[in-house]
Amino acid sequence: AQRVTQPEKLLSVFKGAPVELKCNYSYSGSPELFWYVQYSRQRLQLLLRHISRESIKGFTADLNKGETSFHLKKPFAQEEDSAMYYCALSGGTDKLIFGTGTRLQVFP
Amino acid sequence: GAGVSQSPSNKVTEKGKDVELRCDPISGHTALYWYRQRLGQGLEFLIYFQGNSAPDKSGLPSDRFSAERTGESVSTLTIQRTQQEDSAVYLCASSQGGKNTEAFFGQGTRLTVV
Repeated sequence: AQRVTQPEKLLSVFKGAPVELKCNYSYSGSPELFWYVQYSRQRLQLLLRHISRESIKGFTADLNKGETSFHLKKPFAQEEDSAMYYCALSGGTDKLIFGTGTRLQVFP
Repeated sequence: GAGVSQSPSNKVTEKGKDVELRCDPISGHTALYWYRQRLGQGLEFLIYFQGNSAPDKSGLPSDRFSAERTGESVSTLTIQRTQQEDSAVYLCASSQGGKNTEAFFGQGTRLTVV
């Protein structure tokens, strides 16, 4: 079965502080992992995917198969990063499932 | 080009009535997804389509929920005999298909059952 766990419902930091949003997954095969973001009053949208190994808006995420994790990190948070972040997993089919989300609040 | 469009944006219905929610995906997208987002909670997977077929209906909460897709395009999610616990935002997304492709989301339909 596919499962995504985001243990933190809310993460609050001050501007300039490092951020790490945790994501763990359960899947017996080779998964594809994603981070989606929903800014206030906007649609849910893709932030990054692990296969691209890209850095978007200063965020990176590394797939750790040993720990079955895909944590999202940013060294210096900005106020505009405040949003809801969802980790997502796609397995052997097109099925795409999401974690419960973490709300990131960045204070000035 | 237009993105994923959902209608209506808001729906208030009386308990026990049936409702139909519509999703117009991006043209050419073979995969289509429905999710439910209750207040303060995450995205709950309901069903997805590959073309007009639904390989996985395991997320549908009860037999009051059904969905169909026609012409590899429009999809409708029907909730029969609505209950107050059905109140939520229902999100639709579409993608080109394949494990690595990006899913594009609609703005959602906010359903309130009174």
